Amino acid sequence: EVHLVESGGGLVQPGRSLTLSCTASGFNLEDYTLSWVRQAPGKGLEWVGFIRSQTYGGTTEYAASVKGRFTISRDDSKNIAYLQMNSLKTEDTAVYYCTRDPYDYWGRGRLVTVS
Amino acid sequence: DIVMTQTPVSLSVTPGQPASISCRSSQSLLYTDGKIYLDWFLQRPGQSPQLLIYEVFNRFSGVPERFSGSGSGTDFTLEISRVEAEDIGVYYCMQALQLPPTFGQGTKLEIK
Repeated sequence: EVHLVESGGGLVQPGRSLTLSCTASGFNLEDYTLSWVRQAPGKGLEWVGFIRSQTYGGTTEYAASVKGRFTISRDDSKNIAYLQMNSLKTEDTAVYYCTRDPYDYWGRGRLVTVS
Repeated sequence: DIVMTQTPVSLSVTPGQPASISCRSSQSLLYTDGKIYLDWFLQRPGQSPQLLIYEVFNRFSGVPERFSGSGSGTDFTLEISRVEAEDIGVYYCMQALQLPPTFGQGTKLEIK
């Protein structure tokens, strides 16, 4: 059975850094592009970025709002993807979900509070 | 960025009655491969989003047949033939044609 589980997160001060992990099970993460999507409290869904599978170069794409501050990486040997968030702002406060392309399975999400 | 606009913002439906949600994109979602990259998601209260429909009309595994998607070009519709209590939540459309993927603002479905 496919599962995605986010870990990390919590409360962090503005300007500081935080890293989220997304652990996959039930499938080979290496075969998939992995995306991060966030949801600010009481708001809608916002795509954050993704990392392509190695088949497609393992390259990354980011939303304009996080480009240059967030970095997505992957360790396919461990079936884990990461979202490193630097220079955090209060507006980055949200629940962060990892989801595999084509957005068919999602993790439960982790709350990141920047305050 | 492609703007996705959903209507209505909310709707209240009696169980057993149909429901319809519209989604309009600011440009065509038809790709050169002939596919249209428009998906629908349901986010139940306190849960993560779940995929209902992909590429306009394909139901994802396990999604009940009462859910159906239609549309082309820039106008799309999600229909629920007979609403059930478990269908409550917020419905989102999303385009995956062009970076960045963008979501509609959501439509909240409540039960009367």
